[in-house]
Amino acid sequence: SYDLTQTPSVSVSPGQTASITCSGDKLGDKFVCWYQQKPGQSPVLVIYQDNKRPSEIPERFSGSNSGNTATLTISGTQAMDEADYYCQAWDSSTGVFGGGTRLTVL
Amino acid sequence: QVQLQESGPGLVKPSQTLSLTCTVSGGSISSGTFYWSWIRQPAGKGLEWIGRIYTSGSTNYNPSLKSRVTISLDTSKNQFSLKLSSVTAADTAVYFCARVAYCSPASCQRGRIDYWGQGTLVTVSS
Repeated sequence: SYDLTQTPSVSVSPGQTASITCSGDKLGDKFVCWYQQKPGQSPVLVIYQDNKRPSEIPERFSGSNSGNTATLTISGTQAMDEADYYCQAWDSSTGVFGGGTRLTVL
Repeated sequence: QVQLQESGPGLVKPSQTLSLTCTVSGGSISSGTFYWSWIRQPAGKGLEWIGRIYTSGSTNYNPSLKSRVTISLDTSKNQFSLKLSSVTAADTAVYFCARVAYCSPASCQRGRIDYWGQGTLVTVSS
């Protein structure tokens, strides 16, 4: 089975840049999505096809994917960005999620 | 605006079958290039993809759950359903239904989950 690995936690100061990574074998050959989940809520799509933002997602969210690593970058992080973030890709006909990264805005 | 709503028993006994239904409003489940999916999340843990069904009825399942999972469509009611057999305490989780857009049997590489239900907690306990 295909695995996606994420660092369990990342901390960032308000206004700084947060980088959340997701690694998998030849992940750069796949498209990666990123989902934000706040406590008690359903996940929300923040990045699709590696680097595209849904219209309602702020410009401070961006993504990249190359080699074995995809990265979600949040520029000018705000307190409201504190949440769990999950990467997701498709391996043949199967959906795969990373284990999630808890972003703390200190 | 598409909305999804899960429904079903919140408590299931061990060894029995978990059954959930997702009712879709704001769009037809039988049109478009969409897959309809189930995803679960144990308390305090990450998301686990369970499986998906295409508008044609074609299904794909998580290999680790495949022997116990069935996902089906009821186009007359604009609903899709999940059945998970022989449940144990490890199946206790919040279960989400979701729509996967830009995804078809030919290719799902550009697929993304654009709508989620609110989730429903299912506890497996005697």
